[in-house]
Amino acid sequence: SAVISQKPSRDICQRGTSLTIQCQVDSQVTMMFWYRQQPGQSLTLIATANQGSEATYESGFVIDKFPISRPNLTFSTLTVSNMSPEDSSIYLCSVGHRGRDYGYTFGSGTRLTVV
Amino acid sequence: GQQVMQIPQYQHVQEGEDFTTYCNSSTTLSNIQWYKQRPGGHPVFLIQLVKSGEVKKQKRLTFQFGEAKKNSSLHITATQTTDVGTYFCAGPSTSGTYKYIFGTGTRLKVLA
Repeated sequence: SAVISQKPSRDICQRGTSLTIQCQVDSQVTMMFWYRQQPGQSLTLIATANQGSEATYESGFVIDKFPISRPNLTFSTLTVSNMSPEDSSIYLCSVGHRGRDYGYTFGSGTRLTVV
Repeated sequence: GQQVMQIPQYQHVQEGEDFTTYCNSSTTLSNIQWYKQRPGGHPVFLIQLVKSGEVKKQKRLTFQFGEAKKNSSLHITATQTTDVGTYFCAGPSTSGTYKYIFGTGTRLKVLA
């Protein structure tokens, strides 16, 4: 399965600022997703990062708040914009290979605290 | 909307006892995946079930997919402290290919 490098691993940010999270994969992957996980909770899908086109967002998430880039098949970024304390959470990227029974591989996550 | 629920939410067991978590989907699933997340860690893929009534085993872990493909279970025999973590099931989203909706999770604590 793919190996993912996600950074930063954690950050403390001031409200109103933005943070960009990077996800680098060691191989080309067809599918890449961004999830949010609040402490003690399940994972909520934010969006699908599409290579060469705009990301596909889930209900409740918008591009202005969570812009996503995916310039190639090994790299993506998620930006959390104009942050508020409610954005404090763990953000995870996830990748998968179409047609393979490997399940999805997750990055180690970014623990974000907004103060 | 599509929902994937798990019960129980929490389970504390004595080391050596068995443990079972149940996963129920509001929709019929083409397949179901199970993940384990250790405390402070990220989810790690355990297994995928595809066929109705399918049963798969991984050492002390037994996974089952329901006949109607709307529910699944994970059973751990003789739990060990290394089994501690949160277990999530995940099913394909009805709104798009290859997206997965995660269940609510079951947090397992094993008392030595």
